[in-house]
Amino acid sequence: DVKVTQSSRYLVKRTGEKVFLECVQDMDHENMFWYRQDPGLGLRLIYFSYDVKMKEKGDIPEGYSVSREKKERFSLILESASTNQTSMYLCASKPPGQGFAHEQYFGPGTRLTVT
Amino acid sequence: GQQLNQSPQSMFIQEGEDVSMNCTSSSIFNTWLWYKQDPGEGPVLLIALYKAGELTSNGRLTAQFGITRKDSFLNISASIPSDVGIYFCAGHNFGNEKLTFGTGTRLTIIP
Repeated sequence: DVKVTQSSRYLVKRTGEKVFLECVQDMDHENMFWYRQDPGLGLRLIYFSYDVKMKEKGDIPEGYSVSREKKERFSLILESASTNQTSMYLCASKPPGQGFAHEQYFGPGTRLTVT
Repeated sequence: GQQLNQSPQSMFIQEGEDVSMNCTSSSIFNTWLWYKQDPGEGPVLLIALYKAGELTSNGRLTAQFGITRKDSFLNISASIPSDVGIYFCAGHNFGNEKLTFGTGTRLTIIP
């Protein structure tokens, strides 16, 4: 069964802290994604990775960075957390290619609060 | 980046009612997808549409790929309590690994 796990369900951090959000998938997927979800704004793509050590900016990369050292793990980093980064963060993965391979498999999300 | 507009933003209905929601875009897509997010979980794919005009069902859910390729519709018949959640549309174009998601429709069932 498909499984995407995220390191924490809830996280509270202080302004200025460095924050790591971890995502692991067990499906051997090449592509992994980080989104943030805010009410009324839906899911917005922060970064994605199509292979180990490869990354590409999404629509809202400012204030974030990512790391993909192993195929199964994709980390989102907030270098200096700010209150406007309080949000739900969702990780997803998918196999490469077209055809019917559009489905992205999501983790349960990490609700981050920055105070 | 582009976002897809979903309407309505939220719905409050009674159990047994039918539900209709839609998703519109300023540009065309080759594929439309509908996801559902249960409270406290990540989104899960419900239906995928691959051809303009296509109508696809999954149990009580029916989705349509608009003729213009700029919109899609989702209907839920005879709603039940487990239909509660947020419904997202997503568009996809060939040659791109990314999906563009909609703003979401939150469905609440009033007892």
